[in-house]
Amino acid sequence: EVQLVESGGGLVQPGGSLRLSCAASGFTFSSYAMTWVRQAPGKGLEWVSVITGSAGNTHYADSVKGRFTISRDNSKNTLYLQMNSLRAEDTAVYYCAKAGMTYCYSTRCPFDYWGQGTLVTVSS
Amino acid sequence: QSALTQPPSASGSPGQSVTISCTGTSSDAGGYNYVSWYQQHPGKAPKLMIYEVTKRPSGVPDRFSGSKSGNTASLTVSGLQAEDEADYYCSSDVGRNSVVFGGGTKVTVL
Repeated sequence: EVQLVESGGGLVQPGGSLRLSCAASGFTFSSYAMTWVRQAPGKGLEWVSVITGSAGNTHYADSVKGRFTISRDNSKNTLYLQMNSLRAEDTAVYYCAKAGMTYCYSTRCPFDYWGQGTLVTVSS
Repeated sequence: QSALTQPPSASGSPGQSVTISCTGTSSDAGGYNYVSWYQQHPGKAPKLMIYEVTKRPSGVPDRFSGSKSGNTASLTVSGLQAEDEADYYCSSDVGRNSVVFGGGTKVTVL
């Protein structure tokens, strides 16, 4: 059974940093692209970043480019999102999700399994 | 990147059909066949319902179908059931190594 479990969310001051983790199980982690998607309270979904299975390629939304870094440790079956220079508008539930197939190009992948999300609150 | 445009709400009675539109440009939904649709119930994670415009993952009822015409993709839910009441989001590759979601449509089963 595929499972994705996010952790690392919490309350952080503006300008601060936080690292989210997503522990994966139930599939060959290194074979699939992974993505982060966020949802501000009461708002819609916003794509944040994607990384290929080999970690050879990463892509970011303009709103987080230069501040967030996606990475993965395939030996630990874990996906990460390092978030720096956090702003109030980064407040959201952050979801990790798995690509639906091994052969899709990262930004063209559908994402078929999602974690339960972890809440990040940026406030003083 | 501009979001894809969805109507904020749609509704139908049990057994009826409802269609949700997702309008983009030739640079995203219109130009590519990589439109996906996600269902989200309150407080839950999104669930993939349709990918590559028309394909349905295993386990998704065939009451859910996708299509595209020009720059507009659509999700149709036939034979509406109470459990279909949820928010629905479209998403698409926009061709610059980026992904865009629609604003979401709340489907109400009357």
